[in-house]
Amino acid sequence: EVQLVESGGGLVQPGGSLRLSCAASGFTFSSYSMSWVRQAPGKGLESVSYISYASSTIYYADSVKGRFTISRDNAKNSLYLQMTSLRVEDTAVYYCAGAFGNNPPDYWGQGTLVTVSS
Amino acid sequence: DIQMTQSPSTLSASVGDRVTITCRASQSISSWLAWYQQKPGKAPKFLIYDASTLQSGVPSRFSGSGSGTEFTLTISSLQPDDFATYYCQQYKTYSRTFGQGTKVEIK
Repeated sequence: EVQLVESGGGLVQPGGSLRLSCAASGFTFSSYSMSWVRQAPGKGLESVSYISYASSTIYYADSVKGRFTISRDNAKNSLYLQMTSLRVEDTAVYYCAGAFGNNPPDYWGQGTLVTVSS
Repeated sequence: DIQMTQSPSTLSASVGDRVTITCRASQSISSWLAWYQQKPGKAPKFLIYDASTLQSGVPSRFSGSGSGTEFTLTISSLQPDDFATYYCQQYKTYSRTFGQGTKVEIK
């Protein structure tokens, strides 16, 4: 069974940092590109960051560029998102999602909530 | 970045209705378009890729069409389980941008 399990969310003050993790199982993680997609309360989906299967291609949305860092460890079947200089507007459920090749993501986690508030 | 625009934002329909949602790209994305269904508190569910190819297990009442900059998602006969929010997503570029969503609600 394919599973993506996010962790690391929580309440943080503006300007603070958090590291999200996504543990993958049930598929060949090292062959999949991975993304972080977030959804602010009551809002739509926003692609935050993308990393290719071998980490050779990385993309960030303008809204997080310079503050967030995506990485992966294929030996540990894990995806990460280091978030710094957090803002109130970063408050959202963060999903990790996996895609084979250039396909759109077909595997999604259940999401982890990040709340940025003083 | 490629912008994706969906219409309408909300759609009221009844069980059995034929429903069509439109998605427009700010520049040509060929057929690099996907559709997702999302219910409250749940992760998105992958429905269609390459603009018109149904993901395995998706009911045949769902269909997608279009290429270039204009795309549609059609539900041929709306079922109770279909009331949800639908998103298009382009994957021509790594920005992987989504449309703003279309909520299909009960009339």
